[in-house]
Amino acid sequence: GENVEQHPSTLSVQEGDSAVIKCTYSDSASNYFPWYKQELGKRPQLIIDIRSNVGEKKDQRIAVTLNKTAKHFSLHITETQPEDSAVYFCAASGFQKLVFGTGTRLLVSP
Amino acid sequence: DAGVIQSPRHEVTEMGQEVTLRCKPISGHNSLFWYRQTMMRGLELLIYFNNNVPIDDSGMPEDRFSAKMPNASFSTLKIQPSEPRDSAVYFCASSTRTDEKLFFGSGTQLSVL
Repeated sequence: GENVEQHPSTLSVQEGDSAVIKCTYSDSASNYFPWYKQELGKRPQLIIDIRSNVGEKKDQRIAVTLNKTAKHFSLHITETQPEDSAVYFCAASGFQKLVFGTGTRLLVSP
Repeated sequence: DAGVIQSPRHEVTEMGQEVTLRCKPISGHNSLFWYRQTMMRGLELLIYFNNNVPIDDSGMPEDRFSAKMPNASFSTLKIQPSEPRDSAVYFCASSTRTDEKLFFGSGTQLSVL
């Protein structure tokens, strides 16, 4: 089955810096790669996603890149703000079964 | 739309008791997923349904766990008997079959003493 690895497990940045979180997946049949943000005590919420026919996608300060050959994808957050502090999860899916990475705790210091 | 609705928000029970978690998916969504979240194991898919039919229950840890979806607007996850290691946050999520965007409920924080 699919296996998703995510790193780093924690990431501390200063406000205004960029943050990058990386994931690798194992199943070449996976074709959908979403990213979720989870604040403490809250539900995971979808922030951006990408499909295998696209190499990059942007939404304001957030971007995701996908390299299908290498089976890795990344989340890029620019101009980080304290409210970006949360746990971020990547995930990969083929045939509807979404498998999550282990999460990255992002801390943005003012 | 109110989103995915789960109940109860918190459940505290004693080992050996039966626990039932409930979920109402977003109206119009025909896929429903149950996930469990712990610090040690992260977010694990337990089971998912398409059009009320269980498709993959390979993540259900033991026979003590069972899930049903009697209609398009309701699902239950039952643990009988419960054990302390079942303590976790259980999330229900729904999506349409054609668009895999998952929308999560608020979760049920289960504590088994």
